[in-house]
Amino acid sequence: QVQLVQSGAEVKKPGASVKVSCKASGYTFTSYAITWVRQAPGQGLEWMGWISGYSGNTNYAQKVQDRVTMTTDTSTSTAYMEVRSLRSDDTAVYYCAKTTEANYGSVWHHWFDTWGQGTLVTVSS
Amino acid sequence: QSALTQPASVSGSPGQSITISCTGISSNVEIYNVVSWYQQHPGKAPKLIIYEGTKRPSEVSNRFSGSKSGNTASLTISGLQAEDEADYYCCSYAGSTSFEVFGGGTRLTVL
Repeated sequence: QVQLVQSGAEVKKPGASVKVSCKASGYTFTSYAITWVRQAPGQGLEWMGWISGYSGNTNYAQKVQDRVTMTTDTSTSTAYMEVRSLRSDDTAVYYCAKTTEANYGSVWHHWFDTWGQGTLVTVSS
Repeated sequence: QSALTQPASVSGSPGQSITISCTGISSNVEIYNVVSWYQQHPGKAPKLIIYEGTKRPSEVSNRFSGSKSGNTASLTISGLQAEDEADYYCCSYAGSTSFEVFGGGTRLTVL
């Protein structure tokens, strides 16, 4: 079955970096994108960015684009997201999601049909 | 860009129907069905329940349906069950600079 398994919880100090992994199985990794979404405690979902499983092209949310890098390793069907210069408001559960896309000319539709279990990143001094 | 606007909470009794609105779909994309909906139970990962505005994954109950009018999308749940109590999020394409934006979420309480 299609599955995304994420790395374990992390505790980091402000200013540090964290790299979360997301290992895919049960589907052809290069045929789908991966989207990263985070959820701060008691808050809603926040789209962070997208990476193509085929080309490695990325698109980041403006709010985090200067501090986030998303990569993939197609040999292991694993996606990674690194967040640098961590701040307390980066404390959140981070999810990866298998992304299916539909194109309507210049407009795209992405939907997230399988999610990882989430990785809690806590930023605290 | 601003998040899509959803009511903070809705409630209904078992067997009833409820509708959750999602307002603020970009004027550039409102003619397309580029909305998806997700259900999230406490402490769990979100689950896809509607995509392309009206389509359901095969494993999702047909009690869930989606629709859209202008810049507002809606999720309707009919025949409410206790297990439907959860948070619900809409998501829509926001443009080529940042692909997607989520709504703020709606807490559904089954009375």
